[in-house]
Amino acid sequence: DIVMTQSPESLAVSLGERATVNCKSSQSVLNSSNNKNYLAWYQQKPGQPVKLLIYWASIRESGVPDRFSGSGSGTDFTLTISSLQAEDVAVYYCQQYYSTPYTFGQGTKLEIK
Amino acid sequence: EVQLVESGGGLVQPGGSLRLSCAVSGFSFSRYAMSWVRQAPGKGLEWVSLSSGSGGSPYYPDSVKGRFTISRDNSKNTLHLQMNSLRVEDTAVYYCAREFIGFDYWGQGTLVTVSS
Repeated sequence: DIVMTQSPESLAVSLGERATVNCKSSQSVLNSSNNKNYLAWYQQKPGQPVKLLIYWASIRESGVPDRFSGSGSGTDFTLTISSLQAEDVAVYYCQQYYSTPYTFGQGTKLEIK
Repeated sequence: EVQLVESGGGLVQPGGSLRLSCAVSGFSFSRYAMSWVRQAPGKGLEWVSLSSGSGGSPYYPDSVKGRFTISRDNSKNTLHLQMNSLRVEDTAVYYCAREFIGFDYWGQGTLVTVSS
């Protein structure tokens, strides 16, 4: 199984500042045949459905604000929120869909400082 | 508008069974793989089953293999999860999710509590 490890577990950032969440996979999720990283990022807020933010490690889902960006390749990935807004308070998860069993990181709780 | 609505959760004793359902609308159900993902209280997300669009070749992690069965009725746009031999550690909110590239739509979830 591919183990996904996120850091930090929690993060407090001031409004308007940058927030960075890291995700590391125990083996590469890069498919060399199509050069795509099978890595997604999700946002979970209380009382709301889980929301897909990023897929293929760096492609923003339709409707996701451009302050959200994803980067990385192989085993190391980053979710960046360039200017934190109050509505971004949530738990963020990375997930690999390279192989079953699909696996998630343990989550990063983002709060306002 | 895409909608996924789970039902069937509740309180069940260890060793018991429960059948969850997920009614979907707003897209061509048979064209998409679907999964169940669960979240234990205060914990992270755990994928528990995958069904292809046709319903063939389901996948399960070892934690539920042999106890859980995913199925779908494409004529009724409904996904099911039959859960047998339930354990206390199966207590969680269970979400159905559409798989496209990652899981692009999720339901609100249904709570399953396994307790004596």
